[in-house]
Amino acid sequence: AQRVTQPEKLLSVFKGAPVELKCNYSYSGSPELFWYVQYSRQRLQLLLRHISRESIKGFTADLNKGETSFHLKKPFAQEEDSAMYYCARAGAGSYQLTFGKGTKLSVIP
Amino acid sequence: GAGVSQSPSNKVTEKGKDVELRCDPISGHTALYWYRQSLGQGLEFLIYFQGNSAPDKSGLPSDRFSAERTGGSVSTLTIQRTQQEDSAVYLCASTPGRNYGYTFGSGTRLTVV
Repeated sequence: AQRVTQPEKLLSVFKGAPVELKCNYSYSGSPELFWYVQYSRQRLQLLLRHISRESIKGFTADLNKGETSFHLKKPFAQEEDSAMYYCARAGAGSYQLTFGKGTKLSVIP
Repeated sequence: GAGVSQSPSNKVTEKGKDVELRCDPISGHTALYWYRQSLGQGLEFLIYFQGNSAPDKSGLPSDRFSAERTGGSVSTLTIQRTQQEDSAVYLCASTPGRNYGYTFGSGTRLTVV
């Protein structure tokens, strides 16, 4: 079964500090990995996809196949980054996403 | 439409009643999904429609839950004889392809009293 693990339910950092939200996935061929974000009272939205190797709102995520990880990083946290973050993966040949349970990021001013 | 539209946004129902939740995906998106979001439980997959293929119903928690997608567009999720444990936010999402990720609707918050 596909699994996505986000070990931290809650992560608190000070404004300006580096942020790393952890995500590990169960090994299965070549996964497609995503990070989604949900700001307060807003809908869940795509933050970034590993396939596009992009940086969105200062966040990056590198796929590490050896460690089966896809951690989300930002060098300097901002207050507006406070939100719920979900890591997700698509199975081989499938459109269906399996989500982690999410990490709530709280940036302290 | 410009995004995924869900209705109603909120629904309060009495235990034992049936409810219907509606999702209108982005035009042209062939895949449509229903998920359930509960506090502390993350997103739980319910059902998935892809084009004209038979839906993947493997995530439906009981036979009280069913869904259909008419004309490859609008989808309705039906919960019969609602129970208190059905209270959650029901999310719909659509996508044009595997590498694009999902576009989510704003959800329907269902409260069973």
